[in-house]
Amino acid sequence: EAQVTQNPRYLITVTGKKLTVTCSQNMNHEYMSWYRQDPGLGLRQIYYSMNVEATDKGDVPEGYKVSRKEKRNFPLILESPSPNQTSLYFCASRDRALSYNSPLHFGNGTRLTVT
Amino acid sequence: GQQVMQIPQYQHVQEGEDFTTYCNSSTTLSNIQWYKQRPGGHPVFLIQLVKSGEVKKQKRLTFQFGEAKKNSSLHITATQTTDVGTYFCAGLGGNDMRFGAGTRLTVKP
Repeated sequence: EAQVTQNPRYLITVTGKKLTVTCSQNMNHEYMSWYRQDPGLGLRQIYYSMNVEATDKGDVPEGYKVSRKEKRNFPLILESPSPNQTSLYFCASRDRALSYNSPLHFGNGTRLTVT
Repeated sequence: GQQVMQIPQYQHVQEGEDFTTYCNSSTTLSNIQWYKQRPGGHPVFLIQLVKSGEVKKQKRLTFQFGEAKKNSSLHITATQTTDVGTYFCAGLGGNDMRFGAGTRLTVKP
């Protein structure tokens, strides 16, 4: 089954404790992206990747890191989480990086709470 | 960067009533996509509009793209409880797709 898999689904952590949210897709998609969803603000892009070893900042990249060493994986790293990073996070992919007509496929989301 | 504005933020309707959400951009969009997110779920692609003035239908859902390609709407006729969720539009802004803030629809049986 074609899918985008995120882990974990829920995560509660404390300020400053490094964490990684994993994202993997099995559709051989070039493009992958991370979003955070907050009430009233919709889906805001954190980072995106056009292909392996090609990542770029989205609209809200502060406090986050990403890497794209393999085509299928695009982990989101919070080196020193803070309470304002409490949010619902989604990973998404689409087949061709520059094919903006292609639909995005989303993972099931990760609800992160930072205390 | 370019923003895609979406209104209203919330809409509560009685089952059987119609519902419309609107997206507006200050600049011309090359395309617009619509997604639906059920409560507790993830966004799921519904449809894409590309041509000026385009209208597409999916059963009770009607999607329109404005003549100037700066606005779009999603209209649901005779809402059902299965329509509950948040509807997002997304348009190409800057170097990637940008999402509107979404319209959360609740339906009272």
